Amino acid sequence: DAGVIQSPRHEVTEMGQEVTLRCKPISGHDYLFWYRQTMMRGLELLIYFNNNVPIDDSGMPEDRFSAKMPNASFSTLKIQPSEPRDSAVYFCASSFTLTSGEQYFGPGTRLTVT
Amino acid sequence: AQSVAQPEDQVNVAEGNPLTVKCTYSVSGNPYLFWYVQYPNRGLQFLLKYITGDNLVKGSYGFEAEFNKSQTSFHLKKPSALVSDSALYFCAVRSKGGSYIPTFGRGTSLIVHP
Repeated sequence: DAGVIQSPRHEVTEMGQEVTLRCKPISGHDYLFWYRQTMMRGLELLIYFNNNVPIDDSGMPEDRFSAKMPNASFSTLKIQPSEPRDSAVYFCASSFTLTSGEQYFGPGTRLTVT
Repeated sequence: AQSVAQPEDQVNVAEGNPLTVKCTYSVSGNPYLFWYVQYPNRGLQFLLKYITGDNLVKGSYGFEAEFNKSQTSFHLKKPSALVSDSALYFCAVRSKGGSYIPTFGRGTSLIVHP
């Protein structure tokens, strides 16, 4: 398996622009997670899905952030409009179950908003 | 609520020497505990986990961790460090009976000197 795939790997955009991050989870994994990593706040869970349904989005910082999972093999995280404080590395992770606890992370998207 | 503390931002060790990366946790009930490693420009990789049973857990790349319930600790260890072990290490915890989503620590940077 190719593992969790994320695109783009790097994104530089100007404040106010829309940004879309993409994720393909490992085939057969029922859970998908979006995380944000910054020096100041560490690794934060933004939202997670089970069988394509959002279960907990309490970590989404504000309404500018939205996430969708239209099918089992694809998810997007969208920021509209983007702000400089959104600059971070965004990780997607997937897991087969929740009870085992292990998550498999993608390589991340480094977002820079100028 | 569940939380994880990694008291050291950075650990320095000479190649060939034993290493320890510390982790303490707080959780209601019994814990599930995890260690992940993050190499530069990569996503987190699962190293090992404790769920139940033997307090000494062995994982990937020669790493092991010891669960100590009385001290609420789960320190990561390796008998002989390699330069290639240099990376960011994350401890994570979740409650067996509560939230299935783990809480991650802030991470500890391990630097192994030749």
